[in-house]
Amino acid sequence: QITLNESGPTLVRPTQTLTLTCSFSGFSLSTNGEGVNWIRQSPGKALEWLAVIYWDDDKRYRPSLKSRLTITKDTSKNQVVLTMTNMDPVDTATYYCAHRSFDWLIDYWGQGTPVTVSS
Amino acid sequence: DIVMTQTPLSSPVTLGQPASISCRSSQSLVNRDGNTYLSWLQQRPGQPPRLLIYRISNRFSGVPDRFSGSGAGTDFTLKISRVEAEDVGVYYCMQLTQFPYSFGQGTKLEIK
Repeated sequence: QITLNESGPTLVRPTQTLTLTCSFSGFSLSTNGEGVNWIRQSPGKALEWLAVIYWDDDKRYRPSLKSRLTITKDTSKNQVVLTMTNMDPVDTATYYCAHRSFDWLIDYWGQGTPVTVSS
Repeated sequence: DIVMTQTPLSSPVTLGQPASISCRSSQSLVNRDGNTYLSWLQQRPGQPPRLLIYRISNRFSGVPDRFSGSGAGTDFTLKISRVEAEDVGVYYCMQLTQFPYSFGQGTKLEIK
């Protein structure tokens, strides 16, 4: 059974760097085809895909945020970390990590972690 | 970027009646490998999104058969044959054919 769990600060100040961790079980990021995505949802709004990291360490980012995002994995710990620099109040959202299967499904989501950007 | 447009944005439905949601993409979602990576997600109040349908018409594990998906190219539809109370929530279409992945605005399904 695949599960994912996001963790990180609930409040960050403007201009600070946000670091979020996705801890998962039920799959390995050393297995061919596996991946983990980060997706966010601003309050009352739709979903926005941010980044993905694959088993082979290939990475893709949302172009409009690429300069601010870094995604990394620690296969031994079953964790994926997303950092976002220069946080702004418009980045206030619930941040989700989600599993990407070998056959291109985004099939399992974490519960999400809320992040507020405010001074 | 591929823009996903859903209609309607709100859908009041009577219990036991059918419901239908449309999703249109700004360009074809047919991938170079011949597959169309169009998914439907359900988000119940206070919950994370949940995968319902993948590659247009395939129900994910545990999804009731009253949910079905159809379409091709740029036009897709999610249908619920008989709406139940537990179906209340927001439904999103999502494309995974091209980066950046993108979502529709969401359709809020509510009971009349």
